[in-house]
Amino acid sequence: ETGVTQSPTHLIKTRGQQVTLRCSSQSGHNTVSWYQQALGQGPQFIFQYYREEENGRGNFPPRFSGLQFPNYSSELNVNALELDDSALYLCASSSLAGLSDTQYFGPGTRLTVL
Amino acid sequence: AQSVTQLGSHVSVSEGALVLLRCNYSSSVPPYLFWYVQYPNQGLQLLLKYTSAATLVKGINGFEAEFKKSETSFHLTKPSAHMSDAAEYFCAVSGPNTGNQFYFGTGTSLTVIP
Repeated sequence: ETGVTQSPTHLIKTRGQQVTLRCSSQSGHNTVSWYQQALGQGPQFIFQYYREEENGRGNFPPRFSGLQFPNYSSELNVNALELDDSALYLCASSSLAGLSDTQYFGPGTRLTVL
Repeated sequence: AQSVTQLGSHVSVSEGALVLLRCNYSSSVPPYLFWYVQYPNQGLQLLLKYTSAATLVKGINGFEAEFKKSETSFHLTKPSAHMSDAAEYFCAVSGPNTGNQFYFGTGTSLTVIP
């Protein structure tokens, strides 16, 4: 069974640029959630995708957007990057078979905005 | 609204001593509670979860947690700390009112002293 994978592992961008982060969900999972983890903080929910539709969103501006593909992989896009966007971005997959489903996390993408 | 509070951002224990990491939750409905561990430069790994079955939950690596509704707590314990337990620990809550969104605490950094 393949776990959750994310690419790239590290990324450096400058203010105003755009970035795309990618996530492949665990086999058998149809739901992907994205989190932002700032240094020294817990993960903060950005949004969730279920069967290619957004299924909940946290308190993040519209310049954070996403996609989910038919194979349940997902992308997180961030436009007009700001310095405060520097963080570890985590992707988690689950099966949404029940409300208590465990979310399985990938290793994350470390984004640095200069 | 649901949230968790982790008391103590840093905990130090001697090798072989009891580990106690505190988590209190706030929820208007019965919650689902999780403990995750994060090693440096890695994603989050599930230690254990509570989903309204047994109140004492056993997880991996010798960890366990007890759900106490009267105290709104879900503290994580391990009888004997090992050097390999040094990591960041996160408590998280989800439930019927959150969809599949997890709300994480700010984390507790565990140091194990030889």
